[in-house]
Amino acid sequence: SQQGEEDPQALSIQEGENATMNCSYKTSINNLQWYRQNSGRGLVHLILIRSNEREKHSGRLRVTLDTSKKSSSLLITASRAADTASYFCATDAGGTYKYIFGTGTRLKVLA
Amino acid sequence: EPEVTQTPSHQVTQMGQEVILRCVPISNHLYFYWYRQILGQKVEFLVSFYNNEISEKSEIFDDQFSVERPDGSNFTLKIRSTKLEDSAMYFCASRLNFFIDTQYFGPGTRLTVL
Repeated sequence: SQQGEEDPQALSIQEGENATMNCSYKTSINNLQWYRQNSGRGLVHLILIRSNEREKHSGRLRVTLDTSKKSSSLLITASRAADTASYFCATDAGGTYKYIFGTGTRLKVLA
Repeated sequence: EPEVTQTPSHQVTQMGQEVILRCVPISNHLYFYWYRQILGQKVEFLVSFYNNEISEKSEIFDDQFSVERPDGSNFTLKIRSTKLEDSAMYFCASRLNFFIDTQYFGPGTRLTVL
């Protein structure tokens, strides 16, 4: 798999349910970020977690990071129809200037 | 809240033509980036720019591409001779400084090469 692979590729849930998306990466990182992209629009930064952090919260978002497994998860609790979007993880690939994005998870929240 | 802006939102061009995509990063940011996203695919890094020079570039960023910060506010991406496969969304991003890792993205320019 490539650096930054999310799974599932697509997820469909009912409003009010929790949504969990996973991201795996291959190289060492300094930090990992999650972004949201509404269809055909720009990328919105959601949360950044550093390599020395294991869990981080922001509102209804909870991100975990397991550097031993080179994986991260994004949990959206009590989902809303407005959460419908694609979600991407991005890693800094060990301190380089660039970010490497994953393939994304397309989340659909049904009202 | 300050944000990254990009113009135009949609650019249509003929194959072989030159295009310039424009970005205005957040005003006190020091690091600038271009990424692209071919429809339905992942976001791909093109180039990073700091202190008026390229910091890093990907294999995609060949001699047909160039970047410039012509003044204190604009950051441009030029494609000299567009190809069909250059059709994509192009995102500009900026970052405050070395210690703040978050990259803030603009809304993107959709480039269509006919």
